[in-house]
Amino acid sequence: AQKVTQAQTEISVVEKEDVTLDCVYETRDTTYYLFWYKQPPSGELVFLIRRNSFDEQNEISGRYSWNFQKSTSSFNFTITASQVVDSAVYFCALSDSNAGNMLTFGGGTRLMVKP
Amino acid sequence: GAGVSQSPSNKVTEKGKDVELRCDPISGHTALYWYRQSLGQGLEFLIYFQGNSAPDKSGLPSDRFSAERTGGSVSTLTIQRTQQEDSAVYLCASSLWAASYEQYFGPGTRLTVT
Repeated sequence: AQKVTQAQTEISVVEKEDVTLDCVYETRDTTYYLFWYKQPPSGELVFLIRRNSFDEQNEISGRYSWNFQKSTSSFNFTITASQVVDSAVYFCALSDSNAGNMLTFGGGTRLMVKP
Repeated sequence: GAGVSQSPSNKVTEKGKDVELRCDPISGHTALYWYRQSLGQGLEFLIYFQGNSAPDKSGLPSDRFSAERTGGSVSTLTIQRTQQEDSAVYLCASSLWAASYEQYFGPGTRLTVT
């Protein structure tokens, strides 16, 4: 069975600080996909990134970066120079062929960025 | 282009009544998913449609829940004889193909059972 754990339920930072959101996953499959979604106060889940299990290259998109490490089954998300607009709940998710194509979500991390 | 739309945005119903929730996926997306988000259970998968294949109903919590997808596009999630524990936000998502592709979510329907 697949499982996603986001141990940090809530993080509070001051604007311009860097922050890393942790994600650890479990799966028996060798082919799987990892995702991060953002859920701002408005409620709609916004797709941020997708990685497949064969691509361990880290990725940077503006102030966002992702560190995928298969050796530790982790897919961590870093926001550099955080801004108030980054305040949201962030979800890490996993899909694999054994899961029947649906996403298994972590419990989410609520990030609060204070001015 | 247009994203995933859901209606109604809010629904308040009395315990025991049936409700129907609607989802319009992104045009051209073959896969459609329903999830439920509640305080106690987080985000849970309910049901998945892929093209004309039989749906994956493995996440439906009871036989009071059912869903259909007509013409490979619009989907309706029906909850019969609603219970208070059914109160949650019901989210619909679509993706181009299967879960190897990113899923795009609608704004959700907040269901409150009184």
